[in-house]
Amino acid sequence: DTGVSQNPRHKITKRGQNVTFRCDPISEHNRLYWYRQTLGQGPEFLTYFQNEAQLEKSRLLSDRFSAERPKGSFSTLEIQRTEQGDSAMYLCASEGDGYNSPLHFGNGTRLTVT
Amino acid sequence: RKEVEQDPGPFNVPEGATVAFNCTYSNSASQSFFWYRQDCRKEPKLLMSVYSSGNEDGRFTAQLNRASQYISLLIRDSKLSDSATYLCVVNRGGFKTIFGAGTRLFVKA
Repeated sequence: DTGVSQNPRHKITKRGQNVTFRCDPISEHNRLYWYRQTLGQGPEFLTYFQNEAQLEKSRLLSDRFSAERPKGSFSTLEIQRTEQGDSAMYLCASEGDGYNSPLHFGNGTRLTVT
Repeated sequence: RKEVEQDPGPFNVPEGATVAFNCTYSNSASQSFFWYRQDCRKEPKLLMSVYSSGNEDGRFTAQLNRASQYISLLIRDSKLSDSATYLCVVNRGGFKTIFGAGTRLFVKA
């Protein structure tokens, strides 16, 4: 399967714990995005990487959130001191270099903070 | 006001019906447009890009009106399997891809 891969699929954690999610994009895609989606809403942009460089972060991404893409391949998203409001689906997407290239999403990590 | 707005629905239609969704966007600098489909508890998947001249893919037709800043999706001969949420997506250039909240469609036998 050469699509975008995310793990874990589901994560249940207690408030205050740290969690880390991983995304493996399509191998030839240089652009990688993280989005968050809650029930009844569309995906909301969190952050964007061009290769290993994090070029943009949304104001939604508080200082408890950090994302890395150390070698320009896979990426991780860490949430520290989780809060119940962090419960959501976290989606990773990658994009080719062409103009008007669409985003290709992974199947997401569903986070539940209890 | 949200940058990309869609009627949330739900639209409840019988099999075989024709249904149309509209989407409006507020940023006139928007460059590219897409419709994505999202099934319950799954990731969004590209349905089709939207071109200025309008485009068709089987039973699906997408149109763009830049002057009025809206995009439409028409589904003809609806199937049960078309039941999903349809997301309107606008790209303002580079990483700035904005999603609407989606329109829910239920196709009933």
